[in-house]
Order: sequence, then structure tokens, then C-alpha cells
Amino acid sequence: NAGVTQTPKFRILKIGQSMTLQCTQDMNHNYMYWYRQDPGMGLKLIYYSVGAGITDKGEVPNGYNVSRSTTEDFPLRLELAAPSQTSVYFCASRLTGGTDYEQYFGPGTRLTVT
Amino acid sequence: KQEVTQIPAALSVPEGENLVLNCSFTDSAIYNLQWFRQDPGKGLTSLLLIQSSQREQTSGRLNASLDKSSGRSTLYIAASQPGDSATYLCAVLGRTGRRALTFGSGTRLQVQP
Repeated sequence: NAGVTQTPKFRILKIGQSMTLQCTQDMNHNYMYWYRQDPGMGLKLIYYSVGAGITDKGEVPNGYNVSRSTTEDFPLRLELAAPSQTSVYFCASRLTGGTDYEQYFGPGTRLTVT
Repeated sequence: KQEVTQIPAALSVPEGENLVLNCSFTDSAIYNLQWFRQDPGKGLTSLLLIQSSQREQTSGRLNASLDKSSGRSTLYIAASQPGDSATYLCAVLGRTGRRALTFGSGTRLQVQP
């Protein structure tokens, strides 16, 4: 199993550009998450999904969109990039049902908006 | 709204010391608590996961305790080594709301050789 994979690893965007961060997991997990981590801070939840076709907002959703057409993929779309979106983005997944399943994290995407 | 606080924010110790990192959370209705390690510019490595029904978990030189009623967890690192230098993040999975982890801001640990 590859686990949770994210692409790209690094990206520099100009203000106003758009891009999609890709996230794929091969563990058949129902729950998937997008977090962002600003320098010196913990992670904040952007969006999450409890299964294909079902998504919901997290703590900091403004400026982002998501979709979940398959169990494996959970892309994060940035529209009209702003400097405030400079951050490291982590995707995560876990099994649904039960409470003892830990979240597995991808390696992260480091995004700079200038 | 769940809030997670980690104290201290930074810690520098000489090699060989035993040390304790603290984590507190405001809502005791949690499923579990996880401790992560993060090296500079890197991703998250899960160290220990404690279920709400458990009091502690151990892995090698690491021991994590959980007191759900008081909203506290500690991560004990025995005989610290320079390779332990990293940021340690605490996160809780709540029973209500979004079923996502709420993270603290981390403790940045430096172990001096």
C-alpha cells in the first residue's frame, strides 16, 4: 500500500491563479480530510468528506473547494490564490465506524503565493 | 468548540534528560488523543494513540498518559537524545461535530548533545 499520496510536493503560484492539490489513498478509507499548517502553528481543518459524494466545511474553508467522486481521491481546489493561502497542506484519511482508527497523513504540499 | 493547548511552546534540554510535554483540551468528549512528531519541513509521524478509555500508551522511550476528566495528556520522553529534536504535536478526535482532529500548536524540542 502506498498509503496517502499528495501531488505536487511544492508549488509557487501568482496572486489570482488557480490550482488543484491532488490527494489519493489506497486503504479504502471512507473519511478524508484536508488540513493547512501555517508556520509555527498546528493544523487547521479546511474540508472533510465522510464518503464519495459527501463533503463538508471545516474550520477554514474560505477560498477553497473540494469534490469526492471516488473513495480514493479527494482533490482540493484553490480559486483566485491569495498570499494568505501560503501554507503547507496535508491530506489525511481514516476508516469510518469505530473510534480507534488513527488518521494517516500524506507528506504534504508546500504552497507559496506571491 | 474544542481547543488544544500545548505547553511549553519550546524546550531545550541537554542529552540524557527525562522530559515531559504537556497537552490540555477544553472538551472532554473525545474518542482518542494522538501525539505526532514533525521534523522541520517534513510531514507528520504518529507516535502514540490513546483511546478515551485508556490511561496510557507506551512505545520504546515514549510514554503518553491521558486524564480525560481533567482534559490533560502528557508525553514523557526518557533519556532524551539529539535525534529526538523535533516539534511534537498533540491532537484530539472529538465525539461531536466534524469527527476531525483538533491540533495544538506544538512543542518545539531541542536536545543538546
